[in-house]
Amino acid sequence: DIVMTQSPLSLPVTLGQPASISCRSSQSLVYSDGNTYLHWFQQRPGQSPRRLISEVSNRDSGVPDRFSGSGSGTDFTLQITRVEAEDVGVYYCMQGTHWPQTFGQGTKLEIK
Amino acid sequence: EVQLVESGGGLVQPGGSLILSCAASGFPFSRSWMTWVRQAPGKGLESVAEIKEDGSKTNYVDSVKGRFTISRDNAKNSLYLQMNSLRVEDTAVYYCATENWGPAHWGRGTLVTVSS
Repeated sequence: DIVMTQSPLSLPVTLGQPASISCRSSQSLVYSDGNTYLHWFQQRPGQSPRRLISEVSNRDSGVPDRFSGSGSGTDFTLQITRVEAEDVGVYYCMQGTHWPQTFGQGTKLEIK
Repeated sequence: EVQLVESGGGLVQPGGSLILSCAASGFPFSRSWMTWVRQAPGKGLESVAEIKEDGSKTNYVDSVKGRFTISRDNAKNSLYLQMNSLRVEDTAVYYCATENWGPAHWGRGTLVTVSS
């Protein structure tokens, strides 16, 4: 199975400051069709996960533009330009290129 | 608006069985792959199973192969997960989600507790 490794696992951030989460996969996530099925999810306390970013860098509908995704191959990053209080929660990267689809361990973002 | 509502969770003894259901609305269910993802209490996310639009293809994570069966009824816009030979380690919130090379829209989940 593909192992997804996130860092850091805990991310204390001051309101209004930027934040960045790294995600590495144990194998390339480029599929034979040329697409890279790496996605980012946010799980707020007590809620279901919500997809933020699909295929590395495509923001889902309704996701604020302060969230962005980048990367290629095996190295990916989720960036938040200015953290707001509503961003508190756990963030997961996930690969859909290979079955079984696998998630990172999660990064817990909290406000300092 | 996509809506996914899971039901069927509860307390079951080790070795027991349970059937989870997911009622879907707000999108073309019969043209959508679907998936079940679970989350053990205080833990991360794990993909459990997925099923093709017409039910002709399914995939399972190794830990549930031979014990769980994913199925669907497109006439009823419903997704199911038959869980047999349940183990303590199957305890989790089970989410139903639309599948597009990864879960896209998620339900609120249903809690399955396996305990004696």
